[in-house]
Amino acid sequence: KQEVTQIPAALSVPEGENLVLNCSFTDSAIYNLQWFRQDPGKGLTSLLLIQSSQREQTSGRLNASLDKSSGRSTLYIAASQPGDSATYLCASSGSARQLTFGSGTQLTVLP
Amino acid sequence: DARVTQTPRHKVTEMGQEVTMRCQPILGHNTVFWYRQTMMQGLELLAYFRNRAPLDDSGMPKDRFSAEMPDATLATLKIQPSEPRDSAVYFCASGLSGDSYEQYFGPGTRLTVT
Repeated sequence: KQEVTQIPAALSVPEGENLVLNCSFTDSAIYNLQWFRQDPGKGLTSLLLIQSSQREQTSGRLNASLDKSSGRSTLYIAASQPGDSATYLCASSGSARQLTFGSGTQLTVLP
Repeated sequence: DARVTQTPRHKVTEMGQEVTMRCQPILGHNTVFWYRQTMMQGLELLAYFRNRAPLDDSGMPKDRFSAEMPDATLATLKIQPSEPRDSAVYFCASGLSGDSYEQYFGPGTRLTVT
């Protein structure tokens, strides 16, 4: 059974810093890996999706990487802003495309 | 602006009552997922459908939960009878089978069972 772990559980940084969120998974036979953002009391917003054949994806200040062999993915946020404050979730997609989620990293960017 | 819609957004009910949650997937998407989010367990998959056929509902308590897709534009999740431990946020997500299979989430239904 796939297990997804996210470290750290919470992170607080001053505005303008670059930061990295980590995600690890136990079963490397994934179809893709998706990073989501969740604001308090809201739904999930898809940020980036990396297919199993890809190594990274970029969108604006966000860059996600995938290393299937080591079972790791990272989400890099450049020049963080207070508006980036949210919980970030990674999820691996299995053979039937169902998602297994990590427990999330709660990010606070201080003005 | 295509998006997944869910109704109701909030539901408060008493233990033992029936609860029905509805989801309208993005038009054209052929796969629908139901997830539940709690503080203790995080996000868990309950059931999913492809082309309206149930593929897996092993994440659901079979005796009280049921999921259906009466047509391509509607998915339902029903709890009967509801219990306080069912209190959670229930999310529906849809996607299109293909290369990326990206999932798009609805806003969720926040269920409170007293």
